[in-house]
Amino acid sequence: DAGVTQSPTHLIKTRGQQVTLRCSPKSGHDTVSWYQQALGQGPQFIFQYYEEEERQRGNFPDRFSGHQFPNYSSELNVNALLLGDSALYLCASSLAQVSNQPQHFGDGTRLSIL
Amino acid sequence: LAKTTQPISMDSYEGQEVNITCSHNNIATNDYITWYQQFPSQGPRFIIQGYKTKVTNEVASLFIPADRKSSTLSLPRVSLSDTAVYYCLVGDIRTGANNLFFGTGTRLTVIP
Repeated sequence: DAGVTQSPTHLIKTRGQQVTLRCSPKSGHDTVSWYQQALGQGPQFIFQYYEEEERQRGNFPDRFSGHQFPNYSSELNVNALLLGDSALYLCASSLAQVSNQPQHFGDGTRLSIL
Repeated sequence: LAKTTQPISMDSYEGQEVNITCSHNNIATNDYITWYQQFPSQGPRFIIQGYKTKVTNEVASLFIPADRKSSTLSLPRVSLSDTAVYYCLVGDIRTGANNLFFGTGTRLTVIP
């Protein structure tokens, strides 16, 4: 039973560029959430996708956008990259409408902005 | 949003039992309490989840008093490999992940 997988594991970009990160949820899960984790901090919620729509959003600018596909996989896009976007980007999946099922996390994509 | 308060760091010797307490005074009726473990450069790993009283699994126990305003994660006989950051989250995933606040967690260091 595959858990949450993310790609790539590491990525280096320069300021102003655009990046796309990918996530495949745990088998059986239909909801995907994205988090940004800066060094030494806890994960910060970016947004959540369910039924191919953005359902909730944290306090992140419009440069951060996403998509969910019919197979429940998801992408996170970040435009006009800033140095402050350097972080570990985590994807978590869960099963909607089931309150006692916790989110499962991937190991993230380490994004470095030069 | 039920925010949580945890100690920033704790040290323990190998073989000891470690208890990490989390305060969540604003917990709502439908909220569950979930603990995650995170190693450097890895995603958080689910440890245990509970709603009330006591929950035990193969790696930890979770104690929740009747008023549910706090919870205690208990790790029996810790080893060096338990050195990690531990996060307490409170919320109902059905209402969305934006209601699950990670905070800065508790950095546990296990000493030989």
